[in-house]
Amino acid sequence: EAQVTQNPRYLITVTGKKLTVTCSQNMNHEYMSWYRQDPGLGLRQIYYSMNVEATDKGDVPEGYKVSRKEKRNFPLILESPSPNQTSLYFCASSKDPSWAGHTEAFFGQGTRLTVV
Amino acid sequence: QKEVEQDPGPLSVPEGAIVSLNCTYSNSAFQYFMWYRQYSRKGPELLMYTYSSGNKEDGRFTAQVDKSSKYISLFIRDSQPSDSATYLCAILTGGGNKLTFGTGTQLKVEL
Repeated sequence: EAQVTQNPRYLITVTGKKLTVTCSQNMNHEYMSWYRQDPGLGLRQIYYSMNVEATDKGDVPEGYKVSRKEKRNFPLILESPSPNQTSLYFCASSKDPSWAGHTEAFFGQGTRLTVV
Repeated sequence: QKEVEQDPGPLSVPEGAIVSLNCTYSNSAFQYFMWYRQYSRKGPELLMYTYSSGNKEDGRFTAQVDKSSKYISLFIRDSQPSDSATYLCAILTGGGNKLTFGTGTQLKVEL
């Protein structure tokens, strides 16, 4: 089954404690991205990756890091989480970064992060 | 000005009603338009996409793009309680590098 898998689904952490949210896709997609979803603000892109070792900032990259060492995995790293990073996070993948390949993004189930 | 704007609702309709969901966008150069559906506690999933102008139909769902007024719509005919979800419009922006989403419209179809 084609899917994007995120872990963990729920996470409560304390300010400043480094954490990683994993994302893995089994569709051999080139393009992967991370979004955060907040009430009234919708989905906003944090980082994206066009392929292995090719990452770039989205609209709200501050406080986040990513890496793409393998095609299937795209972890999101919060080096020093703060309460304003409390949000619902989604990983997504698309077939390739061309216009046509981008029209369908597959999303993971989401990670609800609370930073206290 | 936001690249895409969407009325957040919530919108509540009786079963069987025709639902109209709408978004406006700012840049007339945008060409690819999508509608995603998001059930509670789930990730968004693609419903339909259209390229450039015109209509596209898939079962009870019709997506429409009016490029002259920079307006995109999703119509749901014979709405069902299972259609209750948040509907997000999305546009390919950033030279094709990203999806820019509307804030989503929460729809509830009541028995």
